[in-house]
Amino acid sequence: DTEVTQTPKHLVMGMTNKKSLKCEQHMGHRAMYWYKQKAKKPPELMFVYSYEKLSINESVPSRFSPECPNSSLLNLHLHALQPEDSALYLCASSQGWTSGKLTDTQYFGPGTRLTVL
Amino acid sequence: KQEVTQIPAALSVPEGENLVLNCSFTDSAIYNLQWFRQDPGKGLTSLLLIQSSQREQTSGRLNASLDKSSGRSTLYIAASQPGDSATYLCAVSGTASKLTFGTGTRLQVTL
Repeated sequence: DTEVTQTPKHLVMGMTNKKSLKCEQHMGHRAMYWYKQKAKKPPELMFVYSYEKLSINESVPSRFSPECPNSSLLNLHLHALQPEDSALYLCASSQGWTSGKLTDTQYFGPGTRLTVL
Repeated sequence: KQEVTQIPAALSVPEGENLVLNCSFTDSAIYNLQWFRQDPGKGLTSLLLIQSSQREQTSGRLNASLDKSSGRSTLYIAASQPGDSATYLCAVSGTASKLTFGTGTRLQVTL
């Protein structure tokens, strides 16, 4: 099973709301990723978790807060977002991420379409 | 800084035609190159991954080649079908410790 699941599929929130995005995989992968994708643009990396530890933060604003409670689960907590944060948020996983080397296939979830009003 | 470019940006072909999508990258120090497809508003589906030591990979009607020294990869799609319509993205993994994506080729296969 090469499936990464994401919930919810769609989310509409106001700028003062707090919400969370959830990502789950059961492939035994030890690396998990959050990406942001704007319309007609390629995905942009936000965070990398390796063995449940944050390995990369691509200078993402603190209103985005990632969390990796266990090796199968990845959350993205959202607070005080801006309308320009509206985008498709993609989660991905891969077998590993060793010493910064991405040598394995990344598997992506279907994404959460976020709209900030 | 790694830069990845895909040409053409958009392509429309009749069903049954063979086609080639191109991907070029500026830094040849890569670990691998991955091709994805993305349907509108959906996530990415991995098609093929080529390690830096490999020259090509095949899956069904898809064949991807890699020429690391010249910074190029091609994705060949044989006997195209309307279901192949999607955006195709290449991405390289290198010393930046992350995937660097190309700008994508939007493919439409017409009946």
